[in-house]
Amino acid sequence: GNSVTQMEGPVTLSEEAFLTINCTYTATGYPSLFWYVQYPGEGLQLLLKATKADDKGSNKGFEATYRKETTSFHLEKGSVQVSDSAVYFCALKHIKAAGNKLTFGGGTRVLVKP
Amino acid sequence: EAGVAQSPRYKIIEKRQSVAFWCNPISGHATLYWYQQILGQGPKLLIQFQNNGVVDDSQLPKDRFSAERLKGVDSTLKIQPAKLEDSAVYLCASSLWTGDEKLFFGSGTQLSVL
Repeated sequence: GNSVTQMEGPVTLSEEAFLTINCTYTATGYPSLFWYVQYPGEGLQLLLKATKADDKGSNKGFEATYRKETTSFHLEKGSVQVSDSAVYFCALKHIKAAGNKLTFGGGTRVLVKP
Repeated sequence: EAGVAQSPRYKIIEKRQSVAFWCNPISGHATLYWYQQILGQGPKLLIQFQNNGVVDDSQLPKDRFSAERLKGVDSTLKIQPAKLEDSAVYLCASSLWTGDEKLFFGSGTQLSVL
């Protein structure tokens, strides 16, 4: 079946540091890939997405590239801010999934210190 | 634009009791989802509605969980009787239509079963 594996947190880093959160997936065919973010006290929000191989999703300074050869969708940001402190979830949607069923990874908590 | 509203925010019950959660999606969103998020794990889809019809309930434990969306707007999720392993955050999400990949999540209801 479909699954998503992402690095365990928490990830603690200083402001302006480089952030990478690894995400790999298992799925047949060509799923769509997503990163969702959950800020403290808020609901999950779509951060970015990519729908086919070699696509790059980007938003708010974050980027992730759909790598089919390595079945990965790693999230990166060149210079983090304290406001980026949140839990980040990698997810996939299989093209044949009923409705809009998303499969999520376990989440990675990121804490950015000033 | 108002977001997805959920209540209550927290609920503590004893095992074998019943509990109900309420969700009001974003106005105009035809698709509504209930997810279960156990501590340390990613959200897992329990049920998806398109208007008042069920699209996917393959992961809903139907012996104890039930959900309805009678008028195609608000939805309730019920657990009866609750078990210890039902302790989790129950997330409601909505999207414009069933194929829309941008989901909007509520803040969730945190359930503790003692």
